Amino acid sequence: ELKVEQNPLFLSMQEGKNYTIYCNYSTTSDRLYWYRQDPGKSLESLFVLLSNGAVKQEGRLMASLDTKARLSTLHITAAVHDLSATYFCAVFAYPSAGGTSYGKLTFGQGTILTVHP
Amino acid sequence: DTEVTQTPKHLVMGMTNKKSLKCEQHMGHRAMYWYKQKAKKPPELMFVYSYEKLSINESVPSRFSPECPNSSLLNLHLHALQPEDSALYLCASSQDEIGGRSSYEQYFGPGTRLTVT
Repeated sequence: ELKVEQNPLFLSMQEGKNYTIYCNYSTTSDRLYWYRQDPGKSLESLFVLLSNGAVKQEGRLMASLDTKARLSTLHITAAVHDLSATYFCAVFAYPSAGGTSYGKLTFGQGTILTVHP
Repeated sequence: DTEVTQTPKHLVMGMTNKKSLKCEQHMGHRAMYWYKQKAKKPPELMFVYSYEKLSINESVPSRFSPECPNSSLLNLHLHALQPEDSALYLCASSQDEIGGRSSYEQYFGPGTRLTVT
């Protein structure tokens, strides 16, 4: 069974500081998604990473993927209060058994980010 | 238009009731998904429809019954639910079922917050 682990699960940051959220996963996959969720709201797609070494940046967020290490990172630069939210990574993989041709996304536990003034 | 709509926004139902959740998208997407999200937990996949056919059922209890009447519409019929079924139900769609060499983003609807009393 695919396991997706994020750390830290809780992150309290000061505005202006940098930090990184890590997403480790347990099986072979070459595609990984990052989502943001505000309290009581739905999920917003941030990044889709499709290959080893992929790096994408949008504003103060940058995501990367190392498929050999089974690791993705979400780096936050010069945090601002508006970035406060829960961040999920999700890994696409096929089930290890059953021979099905259908894969699915498995989400990490989520990282609750709070940015303080 | 990258919008997935869900109705109702909130639903309170008794354990003997029958109700339905509705999801709609007009982006021409051919894959649609139901997820369940408990408070402070990641979304968990329930069902995937691809080209109006059920392709994944994640061993969901039969009290949840999905239906895809056409490529734009996805329903989730609820019957004899339990209090532990209370959660946020999220619908998502993507251009095609993610997998293979596709890079399809999943667009999530706002969700239906379900309370079973």
